[in-house]
Amino acid sequence: KQEVTQIPAALSVPEGENLVLNCSFTDSAIYNLQWFRQDPGKGLTSLLLIQSSQREQTSGRLNASLDKSSGRSTLYIAASQPGDSATYLCAVSRETSGSRLTFGEGTQLTVNP
Amino acid sequence: DAGVIQSPRHEVTEMGQEVTLRCKPISGHNSLFWYRQTMMRGLELLIYFNNNVPIDDSGMPEDRFSAKMPNASFSTLKIQPSEPRDSAVYFCASRSTGRPNYGYTFGSGTRLTVV
Repeated sequence: KQEVTQIPAALSVPEGENLVLNCSFTDSAIYNLQWFRQDPGKGLTSLLLIQSSQREQTSGRLNASLDKSSGRSTLYIAASQPGDSATYLCAVSRETSGSRLTFGEGTQLTVNP
Repeated sequence: DAGVIQSPRHEVTEMGQEVTLRCKPISGHNSLFWYRQTMMRGLELLIYFNNNVPIDDSGMPEDRFSAKMPNASFSTLKIQPSEPRDSAVYFCASRSTGRPNYGYTFGSGTRLTVV
């Protein structure tokens, strides 16, 4: 059974700092990995998706890397802003068609002005 | 594109009542998923459909829960009878299996409170 772990559970940083969120998964036979953001009381917003054949994806100040063999992914946020405050969730899918996502418990990020 | 649309946004009901949650996936997406989020268990997959056919309902808690997808543009999740422990945020998500690079899109969720 796939298990996804995110470290740290919570993180508080001053504005402008670069930071790294970590995600690990137990079964390396994944199809893709997706990072989401969830604001309090809101739904999930997709940030980045990495296919199993890829090593990283970038979008603006966000960079996600994937090391499938070691079962790890990181989400790097450059020059953090108070608007980045949210819970960040990592999720992996296994099968290729219509597959389920297995989520980590998330990292709650607070960026202080 | 209006995204994945869920209704209602909030639902408060009394124990024992029937609750129906609704979802309209993104047009062209052929996979639809129902997730439940609670503080204790995080996000759990309840059921998912491919091309309107239920594929895996192993996450459905018990017989009180049922889901249908009568066509490609509509799905319902029904709880009958509802219990206080069903209180959670229920999310619907969709994706296109033909476009795996585009991942999953989630709706805004339905916050269910059973009193």
